[in-house]
Amino acid sequence: NAGVTQTPKFQVLKTGQSMTLQCAQDMNHEYMSWYRQDPGMGLRLIHYSVGAGITDQGEVPNGYNVSRSTTEDFPLRLLSAAPSQTSVYFCASSYSSRGGGSSGNTIYFGEGSWLTVV
Amino acid sequence: AQSVAQPEDQVNVAEGNPLTVKCTYSVSGNPYLFWYVQYPNRGLQFLLKYITGDNLVKGSYGFEAEFNKSQTSFHLKKPSALVSDSALYFCAVRDPGSARQLTFGSGTQLTVLP
Repeated sequence: NAGVTQTPKFQVLKTGQSMTLQCAQDMNHEYMSWYRQDPGMGLRLIHYSVGAGITDQGEVPNGYNVSRSTTEDFPLRLLSAAPSQTSVYFCASSYSSRGGGSSGNTIYFGEGSWLTVV
Repeated sequence: AQSVAQPEDQVNVAEGNPLTVKCTYSVSGNPYLFWYVQYPNRGLQFLLKYITGDNLVKGSYGFEAEFNKSQTSFHLKKPSALVSDSALYFCAVRDPGSARQLTFGSGTQLTVLP
C-alpha cells in the first residue's frame, strides 16, 4: 500500500516558469488537498477536492491551479512561479470530506515536495 | 472560522521526564482534534485524534492527549520522553461541518535532551 505519493521531492524553478506537482493516492479516498508549509506558519491549505471533478480554494490559492479528473490523482500547478512560492508542499487525502460519525477522517500526508524558486 | 494556537515554538525536556506540548483551539461546533508529528525532511505522521467520548486519548509511540472543552485545549503528553521523540509537533482542528478539513497550529519543536 503506497499511500499518498508525491513527485518530485525536490525542484528548483526560475521565476516565471510553470510546473506541476503530482499527487496520487491508492486508498480510494474521496478527499484530497494541498498544503504548503512555511517556517513558523504551520501548514496552510492551498486547494482541496471533495471528489473527482470538484475542487475549491483554501486559505492561500493565488498562483496555484488544481484539477481532479480521477479519484486517485490531484496535481497542483504553479502557473508562473514566484520566489514567494518557495516552500514545502504536502498533498493529503482522507476517506470523506465531512465529519459524520466516529470515523474522524484521519488525513494521510505524502512525504512532501521541496520547491525553490530563484 | 476555526483556528489553533500552539503557544510554544520550542519545548526542551530531559530524557525520562514527562513532556507536554500545548494546544488550544477555536471552532464553532464540536471539534475534531488531531496531533501530527514531523521528523526532518519527512511528511506528517498521524499520532492521535479526539472525535468523541473519553477525554483522554491514547495514540502512537506512548503519546496521549487530553481534551478539555471548558479550556478549549488539547495538550499532548507523554509520561517519559525519549531522545527519539525529538521532532516538530502539530496540533490541528477540524469543524465537522466544514469541507475544508484541517487547520493547523504553527508547530512546536520538541527537543529531548539525553
